[in-house]
Amino acid sequence: KAGVTQTPRYLIKTRGQQVTLSCSPISGHRSVSWYQQTPGQGLQFLFEYFSETQRNKGNFPGRFSGRQFSNSRSEMNVSTLELGDSALYLCASSLYQPQETQYFGPGTRLLVL
Amino acid sequence: GEDVEQSLFLSVREGDSSVINCTYTDSSSTYLYWYKQEPGAGLQLLTYIFSNMDMKQDQRLTVLLNKKDKHLSLRIADTQTGDSAIYFCAESRTGGSYIPTFGRGTSLIVHP
Repeated sequence: KAGVTQTPRYLIKTRGQQVTLSCSPISGHRSVSWYQQTPGQGLQFLFEYFSETQRNKGNFPGRFSGRQFSNSRSEMNVSTLELGDSALYLCASSLYQPQETQYFGPGTRLLVL
Repeated sequence: GEDVEQSLFLSVREGDSSVINCTYTDSSSTYLYWYKQEPGAGLQLLTYIFSNMDMKQDQRLTVLLNKKDKHLSLRIADTQTGDSAIYFCAESRTGGSYIPTFGRGTSLIVHP
């Protein structure tokens, strides 16, 4: 069974631009969570989607948004990028709930210049 | 303060055992996980333990859980240079919309 895949793996943007990241969960997994990882803040939860609905949300500004499609694939979008958005964005999938064992993708490394 | 705490660094010699420690604050924690992150990669699930267990062994990995002290440890026997990575402890619980909480990670450095 294929693991969690994320595209693109690396991205360079400039301040003010927007970016869309994609995540394909493990086949059969319906819960997709997104995390931001930075050296200073560690792993921070962004949001979680299940059945095309945002079920949980972390403490991030409205510039961070996401969605989930009927095939459980998920995208996250960051608008009006700031330098501080530079981070590794990780996607994790689990069968039904994030409380269950989560499997992580390799991440998308975003650099904002 | 943080709900899951880990020391930031651990340095061991190749062939020795490594013990990475983690403390958590919530006695409602049901699942406790160890993840490994290599440079430039995502988090790889290493092992997990249910809160009704005291110990779990999986090849070179041994997880010990002290529920009274809310202390979790990961022991890696015969540590190899390929074990050099960041190790994350995480806790989760059933019910509601609880989101797993991760520690800040322990950087394990294995030197010859």
